[in-house]
Amino acid sequence: EIVLTQSPGTLSLSPGERATLSCRASQSVSNSYLAWYQQRPGQAPRLLIFGASYRATGIPDRFSTSGSGTDFTLTISRLEPEDVAVYYCQQFLGSPKTFGQGTKVEI
Amino acid sequence: QVQLVQSGAEVKKPGASVKVSCKASGYTFIDYYMHWVRQAPGQGLEWVGMIKPSDGSTTYAQAFQGRVTITRDTSTSTVYMELSSLRADGAAIYYCARSLYYESSFDIWGQGTVVTVSS
Repeated sequence: EIVLTQSPGTLSLSPGERATLSCRASQSVSNSYLAWYQQRPGQAPRLLIFGASYRATGIPDRFSTSGSGTDFTLTISRLEPEDVAVYYCQQFLGSPKTFGQGTKVEI
Repeated sequence: QVQLVQSGAEVKKPGASVKVSCKASGYTFIDYYMHWVRQAPGQGLEWVGMIKPSDGSTTYAQAFQGRVTITRDTSTSTVYMELSSLRADGAAIYYCARSLYYESSFDIWGQGTVVTVSS
């Protein structure tokens, strides 16, 4: 099973600042099999970015990803109040599909 | 529009079973895999298992193997997840989510179903 470890647990920033969220895999994963999700308070998760930095429909371009192998990063270039959420990375290579434990972004 | 609508909240006793439904609309049901994801209170996301609606084949996470059954009804575009032997600490929200391939991201999610376990 591929274990994903996210850091930090919580990120407290101000509007307009840059947020950098990390996701580390226990073994190498192609970024084609990695995705990021946003879960706002009281809502279901929604797909943000999948594969090699493809943004899902309606996701603004201030969200981007980078990384390869075992280390991946989600960057929010300029934080907006609506970005308050928990962000999860996921790998979906084979089974089981696994998620990181999440990073909470506070503003 | 594409959506997944789940059944309502459930309250069950420890040891009981629960069956949650997820009705798909706005797309060709058999073209997408359907997954179930568990979220315990204040916790992260945990993949439960998946079904390929075109042939009913399933794959389950080891942690739920033997306790979970995922089925589908193609006539109503609905997927079901039945979880047995509910534990007293087993309260969670269960989400259904679809993926285009066996190995692809989950692009549409249901609204979630709260399952409470209480004696």
